[in-house]
Amino acid sequence: NAGVMQNPRHLVRRRGQEARLRCSPMKGHSHVYWYRQLPEEGLKFMVYLQKENIIDESGMPKERFSAEFPKEGPSILRIQQVVRGDSAAYFCASSPLRDGVNSPLHFGNGTRLTVT
Amino acid sequence: QKEVEQNSGPLSVPEGAIASLNCTYSDRGSQSFFWYRQYSGKSPELIMFIYSNGDKEDGRFTAQLNKASQYVSLLIRDSQPSDSATYLCAVNGAAGNKLTFGGGTRVLVKP
Repeated sequence: NAGVMQNPRHLVRRRGQEARLRCSPMKGHSHVYWYRQLPEEGLKFMVYLQKENIIDESGMPKERFSAEFPKEGPSILRIQQVVRGDSAAYFCASSPLRDGVNSPLHFGNGTRLTVT
Repeated sequence: QKEVEQNSGPLSVPEGAIASLNCTYSDRGSQSFFWYRQYSGKSPELIMFIYSNGDKEDGRFTAQLNKASQYVSLLIRDSQPSDSATYLCAVNGAAGNKLTFGGGTRVLVKP
């Protein structure tokens, strides 16, 4: 399966713990996008990365959230000191082009984070 | 004003009828427009994309774009119960580096 791979599918964390979400883009794609979806809401853009660069992080909360896409390995979305409001589905998508114009995003199956 | 707006629904459609979904966007420089389908608890799945004014047909789906009116729509012909899902409109703005999604329209196709 050459699709976007996310893991884990489900993640349960207690308040104050750290959550690490992983995303491997489709083969041949070098650009990764993270989106968050709260229950009964639409997808909200968080961050757009290419290898070793953050291109646009305008949707990232100012504190506790960080993202990286190293030269080797998957992209990581890290949430420190999680709170109940962080409970959501986090989707990763990838595209082959720098700006995604004329290139649809392909989404992974998501990680469903539950903070207890 | 939201950047991408959709009626949340639910849009109830009899089986075999046409479902018509609408989406408006605020960024006049938007270049690419996408429709995704999302079943409950699943990830978004691309069903259509359109870049130029006019209609684009793919099977039972037709996307319509009117850039002057900043409006994009999706028609689902011969609706089936399996079409029951939330349909997300997404727009790639002038900056071109991310998709902005509407809140989605929930469609219910009744047998």
